[in-house]
Amino acid sequence: GQSLEQPSEVTAVEGAIVQINCTYQTSGFYGLSWYQQHDGGAPTFLSYNALDGLEETGRFSSFLSRSKGYSYLLLKELQMKDSASYFCAVNRDDKIIFGKGTRLHILP
Amino acid sequence: NAGVTQTPKFRVLKTGQSMTLLCAQDMNHEYMYWYRQDPGMGLRLIHYSVGEGTTAKGEVPDGYNVSRLKKQNFLLGLESAAPSQTSVYFCASTGGRNEQFFGPGTRLTVL
Repeated sequence: GQSLEQPSEVTAVEGAIVQINCTYQTSGFYGLSWYQQHDGGAPTFLSYNALDGLEETGRFSSFLSRSKGYSYLLLKELQMKDSASYFCAVNRDDKIIFGKGTRLHILP
Repeated sequence: NAGVTQTPKFRVLKTGQSMTLLCAQDMNHEYMYWYRQDPGMGLRLIHYSVGEGTTAKGEVPDGYNVSRLKKQNFLLGLESAAPSQTSVYFCASTGGRNEQFFGPGTRLTVL
């Protein structure tokens, strides 16, 4: 089976940097993605790591280490609009399986 | 392009009733997925399809059936609704192995 573990909640301050972790116990997957979901909305794609290393898109970066079973999403220069839930997801055998998500709270 | 659309947006059913949720995408994507989302549970995969005429079971398929008669449409059916199926249902599509595009969701309540 596959299991993706994320902290249920993380709190950070506006303007700061926050890291959201995702650890997994699965192998042989094509890649790992991160999604953002605001309350009442649909998930939206943030980033995808097919290979180990860091991918950067604007204020967001995502890192993957397959050997360590570990990924993280890094959000820089936090803004209040970044308050949302963040999900990691793996694509394995055409199934895309999600973690339970991390709720990010941002303090002014 | 409308992207991914879902019909209906809201629905209330009584236990034992049946219904079909429709998902449509206009991006010519091969892969389509149905998820349910419950508080604290994240998104759980119900069924998915890798192309027209194909379907496969996900993590939580019991109580649901699907059909993919046309490439652009993916239907999710509940034959006999139960209160445990009260949830928000999301459809998604992808043209490859990375970015999924989600519909706006269907909020279903089963009384």
